[in-house]
Amino acid sequence: GAVVSQHPSRVICKSGTSVKIECRSLDFQATTMFWYRQFPKQSLMLMATSNEGSKATYEQGVEKDKFLINHASLTLSTLTVTSAHPEDSSFYICSAHTGELAGENNEQFFGPGTRLTVL
Amino acid sequence: AQSVAQPEDQVNVAEGNPLTVKCTYSVSGNPYLFWYVQYPNRGLQFLLKYITGDNLVKGSYGFEAEFNKSQTSFHLKKPSALVSDSALYFCAVRDMNSGYSTLTFGKGTMLLVSP
Repeated sequence: GAVVSQHPSRVICKSGTSVKIECRSLDFQATTMFWYRQFPKQSLMLMATSNEGSKATYEQGVEKDKFLINHASLTLSTLTVTSAHPEDSSFYICSAHTGELAGENNEQFFGPGTRLTVL
Repeated sequence: AQSVAQPEDQVNVAEGNPLTVKCTYSVSGNPYLFWYVQYPNRGLQFLLKYITGDNLVKGSYGFEAEFNKSQTSFHLKKPSALVSDSALYFCAVRDMNSGYSTLTFGKGTMLLVSP
């Protein structure tokens, strides 16, 4: 099956620094990638939809200037948490889509997640 | 709008016993339904999905789920639980008639299988 990787798997940073998380589709091309945030023992909350070659679409309440998303190629999307603060500590998960988004064969494959801890 | 409800925060079952994790959904059109499992500090792993066809869907690791349109439910089941099944389970829905739409997840149900 399709594989999605994330790097790094775990990162600890100081408050005020920026952190970049990479999401790659390893064996398929993904025109759309999604970024989720998950708090302990809670569900995944969609942060933004990342389309290759265009600006990301952010969900309501997500600061686009704080969570910068770049989708420069069909296999790579990055999420940069700028000026991170302790409240940004969370588990960030990306997913990549195969097939037509509205099609029956639409599949969404998830990365293993990145644990961000801001001190 | 689409939504998913997982009414149980936690399900406890003894190894060897059957298990059920409940899920109900709400969509305006016809649903795509999914179950995912998450182990600690890991991403989501796909278990099974319902698109169309048979109401009973078989998936990975011996899990199955039954689509019930009248009850708008998609409960996850397994005839005989294993300790290694202990994990967090998410139900998700997507409205197939709305063109492009994202997955909406339930809040998750922690399954604990005791030896």
